[in-house]
Amino acid sequence: SYELTQPPSVSVSPGQTARITCSGDALPKKYAYWYQQKSGQAPVMVIYEDSKRPSGIPERFSGSSSGTMATLTISGAQVEDEGDYYCYSTDSSGNRVFGTGTKVTVL
Amino acid sequence: QAQLVQSGSELKKPGASVKVSCKASGYTFSSYALNWVRQAPGQGLEWMGWINTNTGHPMYAQGFTGRFVFSLDTSVRKAHLQISSLKAEDTAVYYCAREGIVAVPGAIGGLDIWGQGTMVSVSS
Repeated sequence: SYELTQPPSVSVSPGQTARITCSGDALPKKYAYWYQQKSGQAPVMVIYEDSKRPSGIPERFSGSSSGTMATLTISGAQVEDEGDYYCYSTDSSGNRVFGTGTKVTVL
Repeated sequence: QAQLVQSGSELKKPGASVKVSCKASGYTFSSYALNWVRQAPGQGLEWMGWINTNTGHPMYAQGFTGRFVFSLDTSVRKAHLQISSLKAEDTAVYYCAREGIVAVPGAIGGLDIWGQGTMVSVSS
């Protein structure tokens, strides 16, 4: 089955830049979406259609996609950005899939 | 504003069934597909499938066929997830999530609105 691979963890100091990658063979032809999940809460979309930011999401969140890799960048990470981040996309048959998840620590 | 509100936590014994509901408000129910997502304790998000809220046709991800059933009650703008023959490994938080609409033909929208989640615990 199709897989989206993310690094298990990323750690940055406050104010630094965090980059989370998502690797998948279908990404050259499929949109990537990114979700932030804080402990005990439902996921929240932070990036849609590779690089667009929903209203209410801080400008420090940005997304890009090139070839088989999508990237979520948090520029000037804040303590409140800690949580788990998941990419989301589809395979060539339209089956949706979440990435393996990345735990972001800001300290 | 658009929102999804799910039913409360459930505690069930192995072999029993459970039905989780997801009530939509603030948008045209039949215009957006509804997806179901599972998250086992301490684990990642797992896509279970989706239901076409216009036709009622469900699509199940691999691993979620047979014991899992998606349904609708359009008269009250609700979607349901029923799980039968419950097992301990079904213990998880179950989320419903609305799928956004994308302008590009053939592209899939992201999950833009989520319910708060329903904890289903299976234990003897």
